[in-house]
Amino acid sequence: NAGVTQTPKFQVLKTGQSMTLQCAQDMNHNSMYWYRQDPGMGLRLIYYSASEGTTDKGEVPNGYNVSRLNKREFSLRLESAAPSQTSVYFCASSPMGQPGNTIYFGEGSWLTVV
Amino acid sequence: QKEVEQNSGPLSVPEGAIASLNCTYSDRGSQSFFWYRQYSGKSPELIMSIYSNGDKEDGRFTAQLNKASQYVSLLIRDSQPSDSATYLCAVNIWMDSSYKLIFGSGTRLLVRP
Repeated sequence: NAGVTQTPKFQVLKTGQSMTLQCAQDMNHNSMYWYRQDPGMGLRLIYYSASEGTTDKGEVPNGYNVSRLNKREFSLRLESAAPSQTSVYFCASSPMGQPGNTIYFGEGSWLTVV
Repeated sequence: QKEVEQNSGPLSVPEGAIASLNCTYSDRGSQSFFWYRQYSGKSPELIMSIYSNGDKEDGRFTAQLNKASQYVSLLIRDSQPSDSATYLCAVNIWMDSSYKLIFGSGTRLLVRP
């Protein structure tokens, strides 16, 4: 039962570098999400995709781009990493979009920007 | 004002006691409410969901919802040290033309043996 799989689990970037966080789910869910979690801030929604082919901004989209490659995969790209983007990133999925549907999280990706 | 507010804690209770965790939210139109548990270094896992006013019980957990007061709570009966974790309240909030699942900052619970 893989569920939601994220890669990489840990990454250190230099300021200005770019990288892509990959996410895939095997639950045939329609909706996928990217959250970031910082100490004392809880989880904040970066972007989400209600269904294949659609994406929408969340609470904190600046500095990020996303791609819903197909129904299974939803990637998050940092074009020019900044120290403020040091965080834990969680990908998640749900059967349908909100409201009402439970979302299931991946194990997280720890990103440090120096 | 944050969309979803929780007391950060820590809330410390003795083993066997009832732990009461509270959450308030800003959107009167919200219809779906969730409680997640998160152990340190791990991803959040769903404990309870609630959609109607009143109480919903599942084992040692009871979720309570009062839409008029915009308040949702989680009670943990017979608290165990293994319940020590951060509890996240999540609410569907209408934002920028769609519903989004917004989380509170979490309450850290410590159950003392």
